[in-house]
Amino acid sequence: NAGVMQNPRHLVRRRGQEARLRCSPMKGHSHVYWYRQLPEEGLKFMVYLQKENIIDESGMPKERFSAEFPKEGPSILRIQQVVRGDSAAYFCASSAGVTGNTIYFGEGSWLTVV
Amino acid sequence: GESVGLHLPTLSVQEGDNSIINCAYSNSASDYFIWYKQESGKGPQFIIDIRSNMDKRQGQRVTVLLNKTVKHLSLQIAATQPGDSAVYFCAVTTNAGNMLTFGGGTRLMVKP
Repeated sequence: NAGVMQNPRHLVRRRGQEARLRCSPMKGHSHVYWYRQLPEEGLKFMVYLQKENIIDESGMPKERFSAEFPKEGPSILRIQQVVRGDSAAYFCASSAGVTGNTIYFGEGSWLTVV
Repeated sequence: GESVGLHLPTLSVQEGDNSIINCAYSNSASDYFIWYKQESGKGPQFIIDIRSNMDKRQGQRVTVLLNKTVKHLSLQIAATQPGDSAVYFCAVTTNAGNMLTFGGGTRLMVKP
């Protein structure tokens, strides 16, 4: 039973390029969450999605960041025109539902902007 | 908004001793609490959770205590082992959504 799968695990981008991070939730999970973690800090909520719907994007920066969870395929976190400050670990998590369901995290995607 | 804080950024314990990691939260509406363990270069690993209708829950070598009166949460690890060395985060949320608010983390170092 595979867990939350994220790829790529490590990604290097030059300033101004685009970064795409992918997340496949655990089998049977239809709720996906993205979190960002800076070095030596806790995780910060970015966005919560269900299939084809953004439920809560209150943690997403207003510009350059977008997320989707299509009917088929993985969830995508897209960062356009990356800047050095975007360098961080991006974690995806999934759960089977909202109320009372454990949230499991993937191993993360480490983005480095040079 | 919610804020979650940890009392000790680093905790060093001797192998075999018990460890206690603390967490304070601010939102009295928080009703679901989780402890995660994160090793270097890896994602948060679920350890144990507790709901607000409980004040104690036990797992294998771990116990979570919840004091809603003072909005405090603790994780107790019995007979700490070198493999327990990691950063531990508490996270809280409400049933209104699954947006977890994480504390800043406590680094647990186990000395052999």
